Amino acid sequence: DQQVKQNSPSLSVQEGRISILNCDYTNSMFDYFLWYKKYPAEGPTFLISISSIKDKNEDGRFTVFLNKSAKHLSLHIVPSQPGDSAVYFCAASSRGGGATNKLIFGTGTLLAVQP
Amino acid sequence: GAVVSQHPSRVICKSGTSVKIECRSLDFQATTMFWYRQFPKQSLMLMATSNEGSKATYEQGVEKDKFLINHASLTLSTLTVTSAHPEDSSFYICSARGTSGTETQYFGPGTRLLVL
Repeated sequence: DQQVKQNSPSLSVQEGRISILNCDYTNSMFDYFLWYKKYPAEGPTFLISISSIKDKNEDGRFTVFLNKSAKHLSLHIVPSQPGDSAVYFCAASSRGGGATNKLIFGTGTLLAVQP
Repeated sequence: GAVVSQHPSRVICKSGTSVKIECRSLDFQATTMFWYRQFPKQSLMLMATSNEGSKATYEQGVEKDKFLINHASLTLSTLTVTSAHPEDSSFYICSARGTSGTETQYFGPGTRLLVL
């Protein structure tokens, strides 16, 4: 049972345009969400996170939106740059699970930003 | 800040040998460290969670006697793949979470294991 889903395995965007990466979750106990960026043969790099008490968090070119009623979050990158090309994973956790909360990862979306 | 290192970055070993992978948090103390495995074109699969000074908690289907985890200090956790076989070949990634209560995990660069 995939609790965190990224239904688009890939996305291609023109440089300078907006990239929108989507993520859906099924577990209503999730209350903290993160986005990671990953290059091949490297570990994921933390990008941005959001708590369930918020519906938006912004950090530079990256904005994460959370729609709790729809159990949906999205990552907006604007403007997109060729260096943003990577696999993006969303992840979710339930802080009510205690000190060793684990992250549940989606399957990732490969973003390709075309020059 | 929040740098996590892994060593080695790549290892090739013969079937039947044991391999140790180190994960270090360089600029923060990590109460909890996590070990993941990633197969090609798949998501990260959590193998186990380790807390400093206590036994690791393994995910369902992960053999604790095969994947030995030690978290001896707040900056170091090790994963030992015992009696490695070709099917253990994979990309192993660790992550660490600080003591401040944040949920954010910071990942190491990963270790590519190839068992011949």
